Amino acid sequence: EAGVTQFPSHSVIEKGQTVTLRCDPISGHDNLYWYRRVMGKEIKFLLHFVKESKQDESGMPNNRFLAERTGGTYSTLKVQPAELEDSGVYFCASSQDEGHTQYFGPGTRLTVL
Amino acid sequence: GEDVEQSLFLSVREGDSSVINCTYTDSSSTYLYWYKQEPGAGLQLLTYIFSNMDMKQDQRLTVLLNKKDKHLSLRIADTQTGDSAIYFCAAPPWGATNKLIFGTGTLLAVQP
Repeated sequence: EAGVTQFPSHSVIEKGQTVTLRCDPISGHDNLYWYRRVMGKEIKFLLHFVKESKQDESGMPNNRFLAERTGGTYSTLKVQPAELEDSGVYFCASSQDEGHTQYFGPGTRLTVL
Repeated sequence: GEDVEQSLFLSVREGDSSVINCTYTDSSSTYLYWYKQEPGAGLQLLTYIFSNMDMKQDQRLTVLLNKKDKHLSLRIADTQTGDSAIYFCAAPPWGATNKLIFGTGTLLAVQP
């Protein structure tokens, strides 16, 4: 069974540009989560989808970040326009049910110059 | 709010035991987790313990949970160079099961 996959693995963009990150959860997992780790700090929760619905987006830093999960399968996280402080590693995770073990993808390393 | 703390660095010799500690301020009564991140890789679920347990053993790994002191530890027996990685403790905050609060991570360096 394939695990959580994320694309791209690395992205280098300039300040003000737009970047879209993609996450494919484990097949059959209705719950999808986004986290990020910036500047070697803690890994912080961004938001949680149940199927295509945003269940909790309390961790989204500001309105430059837009997450979608059309059709309840893969998810995208768009940063527009990107700022320097957005640099970090963005992790996606999925779980079968809320409260169950979250399985993480390899992460996307975003560098904003 | 919920806070999870870990020491930043631990160095051990190959063959010794490693003990990585974690404290948390509060947590939902569900699972507490240990994740491992090897260089250049993602977060790998290492093990977990349900909050009504005191101890869980899984081959070389032993997880101890002291709910009274809100203290979680991970012991790795016979530590190998391949165990060198960052280890993250994670727990759901009180009243929420849909998110995890992570510690800063402990970098384990295993010397040959």
